[in-house]
Amino acid sequence: DAGVTQSPTHLIKTRGQQVTLRCSPKSGHDTVSWYQQALGQGPQFIFQYYEEEERQRGNFPDRFSGHQFPNYSSELNVNALWLGDSALYLCASSSLRGNTEAFFGQGTRLTVV
Amino acid sequence: ELKVEQNPLFLSMQEGKNYTIYCNYSTTSDRLYWYRQDPGKSLESLFVLLSNGAVKQEGRLMASLDTKARLSTLHITAAVHDLSATYFCAGSYTGNQFYFGTGTSLTVIP
Repeated sequence: DAGVTQSPTHLIKTRGQQVTLRCSPKSGHDTVSWYQQALGQGPQFIFQYYEEEERQRGNFPDRFSGHQFPNYSSELNVNALWLGDSALYLCASSSLRGNTEAFFGQGTRLTVV
Repeated sequence: ELKVEQNPLFLSMQEGKNYTIYCNYSTTSDRLYWYRQDPGKSLESLFVLLSNGAVKQEGRLMASLDTKARLSTLHITAAVHDLSATYFCAGSYTGNQFYFGTGTSLTVIP
């Protein structure tokens, strides 16, 4: 079992650009949640996807959007990048149907310059 | 919204000593989690606490939950250098988002 996998692991982008991060959930999981962790802070919830729909959303602007595919994998898109978007982006997978514990991927380190 | 507060934020302790990290949360939470994070790495799950009075132990770490006091503790026994990391507690409602504390940065000094 590969667990939760995220790609890429590191990324450098320029202000104003757009970025797409990807997450493949653990086998058997149907729910993907995304978190942003700024340096020295705890992770902050961005949104959660279940059955290809955004189920919950945290306090993040519309520049942050996502998608879930039929195979349960997910993408996080961020438009018009700011310097403040530099952070570790974590994906967590779980199963709403199975009421399971969430598992986190290794994260994508995004640096905006 | 569930608010989670941890203290201390920074903890420096000598090897062999004991210490406790505290986690207070503001409203009812179905589950309380403890995670470990090494620099530049993801979150490693340590404990999931589901009910009042729950106590779990793994090696030198022991976590407990008091839902009436809305308090969870992570107790470190006879600290060793390998325990140096940042520890987060997080509350959640079943199937829903995690609310993380600010983390406790632990440094164990030889």
